[in-house]
Amino acid sequence: NAGVTQTPKFRILKIGQSMTLQCTQDMNHNYMYWYRQDPGMGLKLIYYSVGAGITDKGEVPNGYNVSRSTTEDFPLRLELAAPSQTSVYFCASSKTTGELFFGEGSRLTVL
Amino acid sequence: AQTVTQSQPEMSVQEAETVTLSCTYDTSESNYYLFWYKQPPSRQMILVIRQEAYKQQNATENRFSVNFQKAAKSFSLKISDSQLGDTAMYFCAFMKRDNYGQNFVFGPGTRLSVLP
Repeated sequence: NAGVTQTPKFRILKIGQSMTLQCTQDMNHNYMYWYRQDPGMGLKLIYYSVGAGITDKGEVPNGYNVSRSTTEDFPLRLELAAPSQTSVYFCASSKTTGELFFGEGSRLTVL
Repeated sequence: AQTVTQSQPEMSVQEAETVTLSCTYDTSESNYYLFWYKQPPSRQMILVIRQEAYKQQNATENRFSVNFQKAAKSFSLKISDSQLGDTAMYFCAFMKRDNYGQNFVFGPGTRLSVLP
């Protein structure tokens, strides 16, 4: 099984540019999440989804948008990139038993 | 709101010895789940162990075990026979279900170094 797949793994953006981080899971999980991890810190929830067509904000949603048109895909959109969005981004999905399955992470640098 | 505290930012242990990582949490819920996740230098988060709050028996996975003290809201992780591959960041996480889905809260992490 591929599990949770994130692309790209690395990206450098200029201030004001936009981009989309892709996330796909093949485990038929209803719950999906986007987290960011700043250096030396834990995970902060950006957005989450409990199923196709349903998304909601997490702890730090400003500057981001998501969509969930299918069970498998949960892309994260960064609009007007700012240096404060330099971070490592993790997509995750979970079973009803609560176990999170993470992607490998995407390192984003905004210069 | 739930909070998760890991009071040890960094720890080290000699190979083959035992180490315990601390985690405390604050919640008014009675039914919830607790997890330990490992993040090695490769960066990918991996589930180490999982505990359901309604189960009194402490979870065990090979060399990893927990000491779950519900009344004290404590959930420590014990790693026995430490191996070099255990070197990683360890995150304690709390999860409860609500009307909006599954709500996870992560602690700040403990960086564990296993020394040869």
